[in-house]
Amino acid sequence: EIVLTQSPGTLSLSPGERATLSCRASQSVSSSYLAWYQQKPGQAPRLLIYGASSRATGIPDRFSGSESGTDFTLTISRLEPEDFAVYYCQQYGGSPYTFGQGTKLEIK
Amino acid sequence: EVQLVESGGGLVKPGGSLRLSCAASGFTFSSYSMNWVRQAPGKGLEWVSSISSCSSYIYYADSVKGRFTISRDNAKNSLYLQMDSLRAEDTAVYYCARVPVVGGTRGPMDVWGKGTTVTVSS
Repeated sequence: EIVLTQSPGTLSLSPGERATLSCRASQSVSSSYLAWYQQKPGQAPRLLIYGASSRATGIPDRFSGSESGTDFTLTISRLEPEDFAVYYCQQYGGSPYTFGQGTKLEIK
Repeated sequence: EVQLVESGGGLVKPGGSLRLSCAASGFTFSSYSMNWVRQAPGKGLEWVSSISSCSSYIYYADSVKGRFTISRDNAKNSLYLQMDSLRAEDTAVYYCARVPVVGGTRGPMDVWGKGTTVTVSS
């Protein structure tokens, strides 16, 4: 089973700042099958990034994803008020399709 | 409009059973794999089960294997999760999610329902 470890647990930033969220996999993720989701309170998750770096339909270009080996990063270039939420990474290269524990992005 | 709507959640006693349904609309349901994902109160997301488009491939998380059964009816555009021998730790919001498959390769979960709440308590 691939374990995904997200850091930090909580990130406190102000609107307009740059956010960098990390997701480290315990082993190689097949064909970069790594996705990022955003979840706001009381809502279902929303797909942001797939294939480690491809934006899903309708996702603003301030969201970007990258990878380096087993380290994956979600970057939000300039935070908007609506970006404060919980973010999860997930690998879908093979069962079990594990999630990271989440990073809460909160307003400073 | 592409939509997934879960139903069937509720309060059940430990050891009891519940069957969740997910009604799909706005897309060709039979062309997609489907997942169930749950979220315990105040906790993160946990993948529960997956089923391929023709039900040929089925997978379960170890936490539910032997107790939960995923199935689908492509003629009715519906996904199901039969949950037996329920435990307190199964208390969660259960989401169904769509999984595109391109060239035999699974994609991420690109459409999610709003979820249905399951509470296991005496």
